[in-house]
Amino acid sequence: GENVEQHPSTLSVQEGDSAVIKCTYSDSASNYFPWYKQELGKGPQLIIDIRSNVGEKKDQRIAVTLNKTAKHFSLHITETQPEDSAVYFCAASMLGGSARQLTFGSGTQLTVLP
Amino acid sequence: EADIYQTPRYLVIGTGKKITLECSQTMGHDKMYWYQQDPGMELHLIHYSYGVNSTEKGDLSSESTVSRIRTEHFPLTLESARPSHTSQYLCASSESGVGTNYGYTFGSGTRLTVV
Repeated sequence: GENVEQHPSTLSVQEGDSAVIKCTYSDSASNYFPWYKQELGKGPQLIIDIRSNVGEKKDQRIAVTLNKTAKHFSLHITETQPEDSAVYFCAASMLGGSARQLTFGSGTQLTVLP
Repeated sequence: EADIYQTPRYLVIGTGKKITLECSQTMGHDKMYWYQQDPGMELHLIHYSYGVNSTEKGDLSSESTVSRIRTEHFPLTLESARPSHTSQYLCASSESGVGTNYGYTFGSGTRLTVV
């Protein structure tokens, strides 16, 4: 089955700096890569996703890049703000597969220091 | 507004008690999931469902059971709670079919403490 590794497990950045979280996956059949943000006391929320037919996707201050050959994908947050502090999860799946769609990474605790 | 609801948000219960964690969604999603989240953040899939009358065990062995009698409802039951069941439990749902939004919608979770 799919295995997703996520690094780093904790990340501290100064407000205004950029943050990068990296994930690798094992199953070359995976073609959908979402990112989730979990704030304290809440469930994870989808913030951006990418499919294997594109290499990069942006949404305001966040962007995701995908390297299918190397089987890794990354989340980039620019101009970080205190409200970006949260746990971030990457995930991978093969669209059209079984109900157990997503395999999650182990999470990254991002802290943005004021 | 379409959403997914979990109750209770917090539960403290004695060892040996039977408990049911409720999860309901108003989006008409076919697929539903239960995750256990440990203090180290990792999400462990414990149960999932393709649709009504479908239930499957996930990656993490769990003494809990689930049922899916209605599309919108996916309760999780522990027949005899133990301190090792203390954790955060997250319910999620997703659409199925070509062209749908493949992302999961998560509930806010139930934090269970067994004393």
